[in-house]
Amino acid sequence: DAGITQSPRHKVTETGTPVTLRCHQTENHRYMYWYRQDPGHGLRLIHYSYGVKDTDKGEVSDGYSVSRSKTEDFLLTLESATSSQTSVYFCAISEGRALGGYTFGSGTRLTVV
Amino acid sequence: DAKTTQPNSMESNEEEPVHLPCNHSTISGTDYIHWYRQLPSQGPEYVIHGLTSNVNNRMASLAIAEDRKSSTLILHRATLRDAAVYYCILREFNNAGNMLTFGGGTRLMVKP
Repeated sequence: DAGITQSPRHKVTETGTPVTLRCHQTENHRYMYWYRQDPGHGLRLIHYSYGVKDTDKGEVSDGYSVSRSKTEDFLLTLESATSSQTSVYFCAISEGRALGGYTFGSGTRLTVV
Repeated sequence: DAKTTQPNSMESNEEEPVHLPCNHSTISGTDYIHWYRQLPSQGPEYVIHGLTSNVNNRMASLAIAEDRKSSTLILHRATLRDAAVYYCILREFNNAGNMLTFGGGTRLMVKP
């Protein structure tokens, strides 16, 4: 989607290794979000950010950390990847207006073996 | 965010209208009704939203019941590219973080 990119698109990693996923936006939106999507669970919020260095936990934040040092970048880190973190990860951005829509990235498919 | 209930799946024929229902009996006065859809292997995309009045845009129409306990997303002429999972989401006007909470959605299958 225009204005938001996720990297990498695919990654295979081993259990116990650290992994960082990157979300980059060019829209200068205030809010950024990380979701994971698993069969049977739909999309669940991991963490979100409402400004540079301002982040908060979502529904499934255990095992994940985030950082936002610049408006345009929101990083999701799995400190020690586990097989249960195999999932598709989506980043989203929002202007923060109450009625504004979200724009989602194309996703990162992460496999932990 | 208040809970919504949608059918797990629906089928439609190409070029026919599709009505996707959503029940939200516990909706509050400050909840807006949002619809998103997710095409295969893509992230969700915004479709439409409304509060009380019916809404139209280039993608779809949203019909909201007078008591606001249900709504219907209308695709006027389904195409094969409309095959997706459609999510109905209630979003409180002032919710902290402006978060979206996704339910299971309705998987729409479009037959040629």
